[in-house]
Amino acid sequence: QLQLQESGSGLVKPSQTLSLTCTVSGDSISSGIYSWSWVRQPPGKGLEWIGYIYHSGNTYYNPSLKSRVTISADTSKNQFSLKLSSVSAADTAVYYCTREIDAFDVWGQGTMVTVSS
Amino acid sequence: QAGLTQPPSVSNDLRQTATLTCTGNSNNVGNQGAAWLQQHQGHPPKLLSYRNNNRPSGISERFSASRSGNTASLTITGLQPEDEADYYCSAWDSGLSAWVFGGGTKLTVL
Repeated sequence: QLQLQESGSGLVKPSQTLSLTCTVSGDSISSGIYSWSWVRQPPGKGLEWIGYIYHSGNTYYNPSLKSRVTISADTSKNQFSLKLSSVSAADTAVYYCTREIDAFDVWGQGTMVTVSS
Repeated sequence: QAGLTQPPSVSNDLRQTATLTCTGNSNNVGNQGAAWLQQHQGHPPKLLSYRNNNRPSGISERFSASRSGNTASLTITGLQPEDEADYYCSAWDSGLSAWVFGGGTKLTVL
């Protein structure tokens, strides 16, 4: 059974870099057809797609976040990661990792990240 | 900021039918169709349908999706208390080369 689990720092200072990792079990991130995404949800608000890494290693980012986002993968550990630089309070959210093919079909439980000094 | 437009709230009585809408444009809903997600408070979203009316394994037939032009719809028949949740639509936007979501609709079962 496919499972995704987010991990990383829950508290980040303003202007610093947020770093999260998603560990995938039950499927290989380097297998064909799937892409692996990060989606976030500020408290009490809706969902926002951050970007994804394709099984080939190609990446696509939300244009509104593109200048600050890097998504990478470590196929040896079956993990993919998110780095978001120059964070502010507006980046406070629950961050989810998810698998995508035509839609986001499997989600991690999410991890809360708070940006505060 | 949401790329797709959803009404903030919808309500209907137990065992009745609710229809949720999601309006986009020809680059997203009108082109690729929409997917629907259900989210209960404190839980991750759960995929209900994709490509307009394909249901993942285990999703009740009470949930059915459709599309007309640039507007997608999710119809929930025989409303149950557990259907009370937030519902989001999503679509790939070929103009933006990005996934976009609706702002979400809170469904209340009376």
